[in-house]
Amino acid sequence: DSGVTQTPKHLITATGQRVTLRCSPRSGDLSVYWYQQSLDQGLQFLIQYYNGEERAKGNILERFSAQQFPDLHSELNLSSLELGDSALYFCASSVGLRVRQGLEDSPLHFGNGTRLTVT
Amino acid sequence: AQRVTQPEKLLSVFKGAPVELKCNYSYSGSPELFWYVQYSRQRLQLLLRHISRESIKGFTADLNKGETSFHLKKPFAQEEDSAMYYCALSNAGGTSYGKLTFGQGTILTVHP
Repeated sequence: DSGVTQTPKHLITATGQRVTLRCSPRSGDLSVYWYQQSLDQGLQFLIQYYNGEERAKGNILERFSAQQFPDLHSELNLSSLELGDSALYFCASSVGLRVRQGLEDSPLHFGNGTRLTVT
Repeated sequence: AQRVTQPEKLLSVFKGAPVELKCNYSYSGSPELFWYVQYSRQRLQLLLRHISRESIKGFTADLNKGETSFHLKKPFAQEEDSAMYYCALSNAGGTSYGKLTFGQGTILTVHP
């Protein structure tokens, strides 16, 4: 077990609504990454946080936002949901030492994902 | 822009046959390449990284910078190898090591 936990496992909601996905990284990991997996786009990087600060942004829509809290858990907020937002949302974590020390970081460890269905 | 291409969406082989999952990439900097595997109903997990040059579960992958490829190979496929395989690229010289660009994935099915 990689230790990355995501809740909820499944989420069904209607268009126009807002949801929050939660991720707890592995113990000791400072970096959290969010990925979206959809049938048409595949696996796409959304955003990264390191020790509470946003570090990198990918193809994340303006309707989406995220944050990492002092206890290092992270939340991904999706608002004004559209049918096309239905996807599997993965969280991953890594040690994140590279950012601080210029050393090689650990590979990503992924959670089981949250499956979002927008109806 | 960086891109990872896995030309085969589906790949079927028989048990004991050799298997090769193709991956090509385009990247102007110094890339680091990975293979991730997702077994049925399980999370995505790291299988190989090119800098490790190791063999995991009988799989190997060699980075060919001339051909910009990182094909995954196994000489004798097993039924338990059936899974979705993703090739991914990271900017080895950057600060966002985990910002991976994934290929579309290849579903490998190994028949008995």
